[in-house]
Amino acid sequence: DIVMTQSHKFMSTSVGDRVSITCKASQDVSTAVAWYQQKPGQSPKLLIYWASTRHTGVPDRFTGSGSGTDYTLTISSVQAEDLALYYCQQHYSTPRTFGGGTKLEIK
Amino acid sequence: DVQLQESGPGLVKPSQSLSLTCSVTGYSITSGYYWNWIRQFPGNKLEWMGYISYDGSNNYNPSLKNRISITRDTSKNQFFLKLNSVTTEDTATYYCARAETGTFAYWGQGTLVTVSA
Repeated sequence: DIVMTQSHKFMSTSVGDRVSITCKASQDVSTAVAWYQQKPGQSPKLLIYWASTRHTGVPDRFTGSGSGTDYTLTISSVQAEDLALYYCQQHYSTPRTFGGGTKLEIK
Repeated sequence: DVQLQESGPGLVKPSQSLSLTCSVTGYSITSGYYWNWIRQFPGNKLEWMGYISYDGSNNYNPSLKNRISITRDTSKNQFFLKLNSVTTEDTATYYCARAETGTFAYWGQGTLVTVSA
């Protein structure tokens, strides 16, 4: 199985800051990486797929990048409503696998 | 717009089977896409369990070995999860989700299943 590692379980930031959340795959996944946002009490929501393609309706402050084994989700100007858990997921092969999540905390 | 909704017992005894239903509205499960079960453990780890495709074929996570079965009722536009021989480690929130190119764009709201005597 491909292991997706999010090395930061928590990140603290302030409204208006730029923040980057990273994810590393255990092998080259050829940009087949998605990012999800999960707010408390809600199901995950797709933000980004194919590493950099925004899903319908996702604000343009969310940007995905990366290649090979290393991927990043960047929020250009954090808003209070961005308080959430963020997960990466590889869609290169089955079984689909997720990172452990990064909890974004707003100072 | 497509909507998915999970239903089923919230409490299952160890060694018994867990059975859940996903009811889909707004799109026919035979028209396209892949219809998945994903679970989230306490502590928030997500695990993809498997899918049934629009044509009825299956793909399961090998970690679930021979315990899992995903079937469907096309007349009701529903698909089902059955997980056998459950233990307390199967306690989780279970989600159904629609996949396109391996990503999950539509999710149900989730249903918590606790395995306990």
